[in-house]
Amino acid sequence: EAGVVQSPRYKIIEKKQPVAFWCNPISGHNTLYWYLQNLGQGPELLIRYENEEAVDDSQLPKDRFSAERLKGVDSTLKIQPAELGDSAVYLCASSLGQVTGELFFGEGSRLTVL
Amino acid sequence: AQSVTQPDIHITVSEGASLELRCNYSYGATPYLFWYVQSPGQGLQLLLKYFSGDTLVQGIKGFEAEFKRSQSSFNLRKPSVHWSDAAEYFCAVGADSGYSTLTFGKGTMLLVSP
Repeated sequence: EAGVVQSPRYKIIEKKQPVAFWCNPISGHNTLYWYLQNLGQGPELLIRYENEEAVDDSQLPKDRFSAERLKGVDSTLKIQPAELGDSAVYLCASSLGQVTGELFFGEGSRLTVL
Repeated sequence: AQSVTQPDIHITVSEGASLELRCNYSYGATPYLFWYVQSPGQGLQLLLKYFSGDTLVQGIKGFEAEFKRSQSSFNLRKPSVHWSDAAEYFCAVGADSGYSTLTFGKGTMLLVSP
């Protein structure tokens, strides 16, 4: 069975440009997460979806970040416009949603903003 | 809100020697505790998890961890380290609030010397 798939793996853009990341979770996983991982840091939650509903987006900078999960499967995270400080790895994870459940992570999308 | 502290940013261990990575958590109720490993350029992989019961839990790749409520700790151990264990290790805590979002520590980078 395929794991969590993310694309692109690497993206280099100039500041003020838009960028989008795509995530396909494990089949059957209703819960989807976007985490931000800065260099030398642990992952920090940006947004969590239960099916198509964003149930925790308190840490998402809504002035420039947006996310969607249409039809409760794939998800897209967008940044517009990107800033230098957005350079980081954006991790997508999925789970079955139970409090004791394992989160399965994709390989991440590494963003470099010049 | 829950939090995790990993006091060691880097640890160097000789191949074949034993390993202990420290993790301290802060949470008012019974925590759900996890250890994840991240190899360079990869996503996070679950090593082991603790929910209840036996405080010594076994994981993959020969790792184990012990939950000590009195010390608010969940240290990761391995009796004999292999060069392939070199990676970054993250401790995480989940809240007992009905959903499965994890809060991660900043990670400990393990270096293995010949």
